[in-house]
Amino acid sequence: AQRVTQPEKLLSVFKGAPVELKCNYSYSGSPELFWYVQYSRQRLQLLLRHISRESIKGFTADLNKGETSFHLKKPFAQEEDSAMYYCALSSNTGNQFYFGTGTSLTVIP
Amino acid sequence: NAGVMQNPRHLVRRRGQEARLRCSPMKGHSHVYWYRQLPEEGLKFMVYLQKENIIDESGMPKERFSAEFPKEGPSILRIQQVVRGDSAAYFCASSRDRGTRNTEAFFGQGTRLTVV
Repeated sequence: AQRVTQPEKLLSVFKGAPVELKCNYSYSGSPELFWYVQYSRQRLQLLLRHISRESIKGFTADLNKGETSFHLKKPFAQEEDSAMYYCALSSNTGNQFYFGTGTSLTVIP
Repeated sequence: NAGVMQNPRHLVRRRGQEARLRCSPMKGHSHVYWYRQLPEEGLKFMVYLQKENIIDESGMPKERFSAEFPKEGPSILRIQQVVRGDSAAYFCASSRDRGTRNTEAFFGQGTRLTVV
């Protein structure tokens, strides 16, 4: 069974502090992992994907196959990072996308 | 490319009425996904469709909810005899075929359903 787990529903950090949003997955094949972000009253949009190995808005995420994790990290949180973050998995046998239940990040000024 | 278009943006229905939510995927996308977001909750998968086929409806309530993605026209999520608990934001996403490099899912702006 495919599953994406985001253990933290809510996360608050102070501005300038490091932030890590956790994501664990279970999948029998080789999935593609994504992070999506939803700012207040906006549509979900792709933040980054593991195959690109890129840093977007200071965020990075490394796929750890041994721990089946894809945690999202940023060394210094900014107020504009406050949003809902979703970890997602795309299967390699079809086009199914599985989303975690999301983590609401609040950056305290 | 206008992106994923959902309409209406806001829909108010009285209890017992029917709600029809429409989603036009991005041009060239043949895969559509519907998700529900309850107030203060995360995104919950409902159904995954390809043209004229339901691939995975494991997240759909067994009664009153149905979805289709016809050969022509938008995907429709239909909720019959709505109840207050159906009030939520319903998001649609679309993606290309797996064979292409870019398998990212693109989201619409959602339809906010309010049942009064």
